[in-house]
Amino acid sequence: DAGITQSPRHKVTETGTPVTLRCHQTENHRYMYWYRQDPGHGLRLIHYSYGVKDTDKGEVSDGYSVSRSKTEDFLLTLESATSSQTSVYFCAIRVGGGTEAFFGQGTRLTVV
Amino acid sequence: EDQVTQSPEALRLQEGESSSLNCSYTVSGLRGLFWYRQDPGKGPEFLFTLYSAGEEKEKERLKATLTKKESFLHITAPKPEDSATYLCAVQGGYDNNDMRFGAGTRLTVKP
Repeated sequence: DAGITQSPRHKVTETGTPVTLRCHQTENHRYMYWYRQDPGHGLRLIHYSYGVKDTDKGEVSDGYSVSRSKTEDFLLTLESATSSQTSVYFCAIRVGGGTEAFFGQGTRLTVV
Repeated sequence: EDQVTQSPEALRLQEGESSSLNCSYTVSGLRGLFWYRQDPGKGPEFLFTLYSAGEEKEKERLKATLTKKESFLHITAPKPEDSATYLCAVQGGYDNNDMRFGAGTRLTVKP
């Protein structure tokens, strides 16, 4: 499992509430990513980090923010959850650009 | 903008019936093409990385090949345990840290 733990694994929340998903790695990789996976769209990048306090936006970043205060933890926050953010969220790590990514088990988020 | 198209969307095979999955891509300066396997309810599992046209990699019944416009994942004599969704992704551009994924091919192998 490449030492990646996502929490929670499942969550149901109400529209308008803030939600934070956590990704923890044990291998001190520099690059960490948050993707969402929806039917027909494949995996789409939300945000990524290339070091502590260094983050950048991905393809679908609107409505999401991230933080990385420690190498091992990368947090994804939905500031005010909407039904369109119902999805499966995956965290991934990479050693460096051009290398393969290793994924966590995913968090299934339902916004009602 | 990098784009990845996988075909077919779904493929049903009989055990032992060999076939190929296609990944067509457009990218500015390919840094890597990646194949993953994903089982239901789990995260993608890394299979192969290909870096340049003509490169091939094999693992058990799977073989991945790469040209300048597409990649194929050949499955030889598949077994039911090969049933999964297979994802293709590309990364292009020196300053780009994103992998662009295709929507996947859902493979079912019947005994």
